[in-house]
Amino acid sequence: GAGVSQSPRYKVAKRGQDVALRCDPISGHVSLFWYQQALGQGPEFLTYFQNEAQLDKSGLPSDRFFAERPEGSVSTLKIQRTQQEDSAVYLCASSFRRVAGYEQYFGPGTRLTVT
Amino acid sequence: GIQVEQSPPDLILQEGANSTLRCNFSDSVNNLQWFHQNPWGQLINLFYIPSGTKQNGRLSATTVATERYSLLYISSSQTTDSGVYFCAVNETSGSRLTFGEGTQLTVNP
Repeated sequence: GAGVSQSPRYKVAKRGQDVALRCDPISGHVSLFWYQQALGQGPEFLTYFQNEAQLDKSGLPSDRFFAERPEGSVSTLKIQRTQQEDSAVYLCASSFRRVAGYEQYFGPGTRLTVT
Repeated sequence: GIQVEQSPPDLILQEGANSTLRCNFSDSVNNLQWFHQNPWGQLINLFYIPSGTKQNGRLSATTVATERYSLLYISSSQTTDSGVYFCAVNETSGSRLTFGEGTQLTVNP
């Protein structure tokens, strides 16, 4: 079946602009995660949803970052007033089970460049 | 939080060689995954292996949870094996994956 999809694949924003990144998880997957990957590093956790509930947002780096999943399927990560340090690849992952410890599957990512 | 260390950070092989990548973690986990990140940035699931041994073609993995480490074996390496290999764990107290810094593998023809 279809994997996790993300759009856009590439985004260039001028400093101060708002951006919205979309994630379509695997159909039926309850859990959805957002990660940020800086160049040359491993992905780092941003936030976690179980259905429409945001259960953990402790990894969001500032209040400029906001995520939602209103109907428990598609999720949007919004970054307001983008800064150069926001340049990174944003990865979305989904998992079938609601219980922690189940296999996560990743999308291709959105590469954000802030100029 | 949990710490994840991967070694070696870089590895260069000739095609056909075998290799072992290691992942150490600092606390109990209920999930351990190995990924291959290809040149386009896609994270490809290799193994879901919180404990035990699994094999998939030329790749195999072993996790010894009581000793807090996992090994990824690549046999008869091919140029298409090049890329970054990540180990990621899910500690028992949470849902997030914590990644290591990765091993950059280059396989030369």
